[in-house]
Amino acid sequence: QKEVEQDPGPLSVPEGAIVSLNCTYSNSAFQYFMWYRQYSRKGPELLMYTYSSGNKEDGRFTAQVDKSSKYISLFIRDSQPSDSATYLCAMSASWGGTSYGKLTFGQGTILTVHP
Amino acid sequence: ETGVTQSPTHLIKTRGQQVTLRCSSQSGHNTVSWYQQALGQGPQFIFQYYREEENGRGNFPPRFSGLQFPNYSSELNVNALELDDSALYLCASSLGDLEAFFGQGTRLTVV
Repeated sequence: QKEVEQDPGPLSVPEGAIVSLNCTYSNSAFQYFMWYRQYSRKGPELLMYTYSSGNKEDGRFTAQVDKSSKYISLFIRDSQPSDSATYLCAMSASWGGTSYGKLTFGQGTILTVHP
Repeated sequence: ETGVTQSPTHLIKTRGQQVTLRCSSQSGHNTVSWYQQALGQGPQFIFQYYREEENGRGNFPPRFSGLQFPNYSSELNVNALELDDSALYLCASSLGDLEAFFGQGTRLTVV
């Protein structure tokens, strides 16, 4: 069983829709939870990160973490064609570079927002 | 732009050969991590270097090795290439516990 499971999709939605992306995990040591966006032929870019259970909002994006259920979500409101990309969840037992900040990624969900 | 550049962008090698991939980090970033991303998969952690020392390794064999240099550049070396090594190789640099920035990756094809 993989440490992080993510529905690969693909997901196709009309412009303006609310998108829900989800990941589950099995490793209780994970403390930091991140969402990355990856456009075709590009490296991943960090969208949001959270440390504790609860919600975090940034513009049209909301990240949700439920540590008791080992479940994280990313919601995109008023989705735009420019949001079309692969979305990757990632988790770490420590943050950033030092202290063995290894990121464990989900498989990625391919999202297409059509006009 | 993240300020992290990788070279080359694409590479084709023959099975059994050796390859060196390069990464130039943001100035001042003392930590670099390398990831392998197979087609349709998420990135997998290979190893991390902190101040020129290996600081953790994922589930990859010893034929995957690396170096980090004082000028914020780093290398990933892979010996005895196998067909399954075909993937996008990503480096990510960071300063301590701050956000890691990814390069655009090197697409390696082993034939």
